[in-house]
Amino acid sequence: AQSVTQLDSQVPVFEEAPVELRCNYSSSVSVYLFWYVQYPNQGLQLLLKYLSGSTLVKGINGFEAEFNKSQTSFHLRKPSVHISDTAEYFCAVQGGSEKLVFGKGTKLTVNP
Amino acid sequence: GAVVSQHPSRVICKSGTSVKIECRSLDFQATTMFWYRQFPKQSLMLMATSNEGSKATYEQGVEKDKFLINHASLTLSTLTVTSAHPEDSSFYICSARDGGGNREKLFFGSGTQLSVL
Repeated sequence: AQSVTQLDSQVPVFEEAPVELRCNYSSSVSVYLFWYVQYPNQGLQLLLKYLSGSTLVKGINGFEAEFNKSQTSFHLRKPSVHISDTAEYFCAVQGGSEKLVFGKGTKLTVNP
Repeated sequence: GAVVSQHPSRVICKSGTSVKIECRSLDFQATTMFWYRQFPKQSLMLMATSNEGSKATYEQGVEKDKFLINHASLTLSTLTVTSAHPEDSSFYICSARDGGGNREKLFFGSGTQLSVL
């Protein structure tokens, strides 16, 4: 079975500051890793995913994440955030089946 | 991109009534749809997997007679919460897997906030 831990439930930052949203996972099998974003009153939208290959994955809206197998982490980063990045971010892992296991989410608030 | 429409977005009902939530894939055929439930400050928890034309597969601990899932066509899956009680109040969200080229992507609906009085 897989599990996902998002270490921060809320992250407040100022506009144009860098941000890192942390995600750790556990699994006994090889996994695919995902980050989703949920804007207010909207569905989940895929930000990026790691399936194989390069451990640094670039996604939409300037976000990127690095897969670290030894630390079982998949932290999400953005060098300079905008007000419009305010949303809830979910890390998810997919193991041997097509089921996704989600973390509890991190609410990112970007302040002016 | 692919769009999944979920309706209603919010519903308030009396205890003992049944509520139906619809999940539609608007521009692709979804051979598989997933239903999740999210309690405040908790993860999205997979409730069941529905495949078009067959019975849904429920996760452990989810009552199949309580949460009826029907996936009658390649574009529509419904979740019916039968005889709802206050403890069923939660955020329900569906996702659909594109049966075409996007095998690696799941597309999510916008969710339904259910409040049972």
